Amino acid sequence: DVKVTQSSRYLVKRTGEKVFLECVQDMDHENMFWYRQDPGLGLRLIYFSYDVKMKEKGDIPEGYSVSREKKERFSLILESASTNQTSMYLCASSFRQGHTDTQYFGPGTRLTVL
Amino acid sequence: GQNIDQPTEMTATEGAIVQINCTYQTSGFNGLFWYQQHAGEAPTFLSYNVLDGLEEKGRFSSFLSRSKGYSYLLLKELQMKDSASYLCAVMDSNYQLIWGAGTKLIIKP
Repeated sequence: DVKVTQSSRYLVKRTGEKVFLECVQDMDHENMFWYRQDPGLGLRLIYFSYDVKMKEKGDIPEGYSVSREKKERFSLILESASTNQTSMYLCASSFRQGHTDTQYFGPGTRLTVL
Repeated sequence: GQNIDQPTEMTATEGAIVQINCTYQTSGFNGLFWYQQHAGEAPTFLSYNVLDGLEEKGRFSSFLSRSKGYSYLLLKELQMKDSASYLCAVMDSNYQLIWGAGTKLIIKP
């Protein structure tokens, strides 16, 4: 079974704090993704990575950065948290098999910025 | 632009059948996914369709028509545990997933 873990299920931070969200997968997947999910909206892609030390901006990268120093770990960083970054953050990993690229998700981190 | 449309909410009765529709407009097509997401939990993979037709997997089936940009997820013999959101997502020509906002399915006894 694919296992994707995230460092925290719930997190409360203050405006202006630096926030680190960690994601680890144990299936040797090349691809890793960070999404945020807000009520009434689909999952929105923040950043993704297809290899170690590689990162690509998704649809909403502003206010975020990422780090992928090891294949199994993909970190999302909020340099200076703001209240509009209160959201559910989901990490996913995948590998391409032919035309299929199924993403497997971690349990999510519900971040509240006060 | 790219978009995925699915109903916001549906209600059905335990033991019945429900069909959740998804229409899409994307640049390119490399398959359509359905995920289930229980409240407060992560999405879990249900099905993948890349060719036209019906794929059956137990009580769940997924249908695709590429020419119509249309898919549906069919759930039979509904159980209370099927109460969840169902997310439709399409993989575009760049192998990026475009997500719908999800359909919240409420099952009543």
